Amino acid sequence: GEQVEQRPPHLSVREGDSAVITCTYTDPNSYYFFWYKQEPGASLQLLMKVFSSTEINEGQGFTVLLNKKDKRLSLNLTAAHPGDSAAYFCAVSASSNTNKVVFGTGTRLQVLP
Amino acid sequence: EAAVTQSPRNKVAVTGGKVTLSCNQTNNHNNMYWYRQDTGHGLRLIHYSYGAGSTEKGDIPDGYKASRPSQENFSLILELATPSQTSVYFCASGELGDYAEQFFGPGTRLTVL
Repeated sequence: GEQVEQRPPHLSVREGDSAVITCTYTDPNSYYFFWYKQEPGASLQLLMKVFSSTEINEGQGFTVLLNKKDKRLSLNLTAAHPGDSAAYFCAVSASSNTNKVVFGTGTRLQVLP
Repeated sequence: EAAVTQSPRNKVAVTGGKVTLSCNQTNNHNNMYWYRQDTGHGLRLIHYSYGAGSTEKGDIPDGYKASRPSQENFSLILELATPSQTSVYFCASGELGDYAEQFFGPGTRLTVL
């Protein structure tokens, strides 16, 4: 079945720096991709969802890149601020009509002032 | 107001005891999910459901049962709890369709002594 590897497990950056989190997946038939943010002690909130036809997706303060050839998904926070400190999880939808997703192992991001 | 709620939020159980975790959603979503979250593993799917009366095994169903008596409610049952089931459990709901994100509850922290 689908396997999703997420790197790095921990990331510490200074305020204003960029932060990049990457997920690689194994199933070439994966079409739907999600990024969730989990603030300390809280639940997961959707950050962005992307469809495989779009390689670059921009949100507020971040960009999601999808490289289908390399089966790689990345989240790039362009100018991190302390409010971005959280755990981030990618999720990949690997099968149709089941709504099942496979989650990455998570990245704990710390943004230092 | 919160659309996915879980109870209890914290639970301490003894080895061999029975534990029931409850989840309620007001999103009117067909699909519901139970995950556990452990450091280094991200979120792993235990059981899921397509609607009232249905339950399906996820990726790590051993030692767990699930019940979906209604559209709104989805329970996770540990008949004989073990210390290895100490974890944070998240319930989620989602619409049909692979591009539908999941909406998560606040989580239940379970400790099995």
